[in-house]
Amino acid sequence: SAVISQKPSRDICQRGTSLTIQCQVDSQVTMMFWYRQQPGQSLTLIATANQGSEATYESGFVIDKFPISRPNLTFSTLTVSNMSPEDSSIYLCSVEDRDLHGYTFGSGTRLTVV
Amino acid sequence: DQQVKQNSPSLSVQEGRISILNCDYTNSMFDYFLWYKKYPAEGPTFLISISSIKDKNEDGRFTVFLNKSAKHLSLHIVPSQPGDSAVYFCAASPMRGGSEKLVFGKGTKLTVNP
Repeated sequence: SAVISQKPSRDICQRGTSLTIQCQVDSQVTMMFWYRQQPGQSLTLIATANQGSEATYESGFVIDKFPISRPNLTFSTLTVSNMSPEDSSIYLCSVEDRDLHGYTFGSGTRLTVV
Repeated sequence: DQQVKQNSPSLSVQEGRISILNCDYTNSMFDYFLWYKKYPAEGPTFLISISSIKDKNEDGRFTVFLNKSAKHLSLHIVPSQPGDSAVYFCAASPMRGGSEKLVFGKGTKLTVNP
């Protein structure tokens, strides 16, 4: 199955700053997915990132706040911009894993905004 | 409106006994269902899936049952082991693979007592 390296694993950031999260996959994938898990909540899809095109954002998420890059088929970044304490969450990337008939997740980035 | 519901936030079971985790969904377009396990400080790990053409799928100690008419699925773990202690997420998708996003429940924290 696919292996995803996600970093950083955690960070504490000042409000008003930005953090970029990276995900590297050990195989080429068409789409990568970015999720957020707020405390006590389910995982919520932020956007789907396709290589060579603009990311597709879910309702409630906008590109200015969560810009995404997808420069090639194995790598993507999510930036959390102009952070506020409400952005404190776990952020996860994911890819479809056809060997598993499911989706593989990165280990997550635990973000705390102070 | 939550489309995937896990109404039990926690479950405690004795080692060796059966663990039954339940999940209900409201969207009749959901066609593919997955269970994930999540340990603290790790990303969700895919466990088992089932498509709507089946009512049961088994993988070792893990069995998922799907009742489409009731819009209900359950995950059975037999026998339960202390290492199974984790948060279990139910997820659903309109179809397997591609751009169809997963919708997650809030999770059930399973504790297996030695």
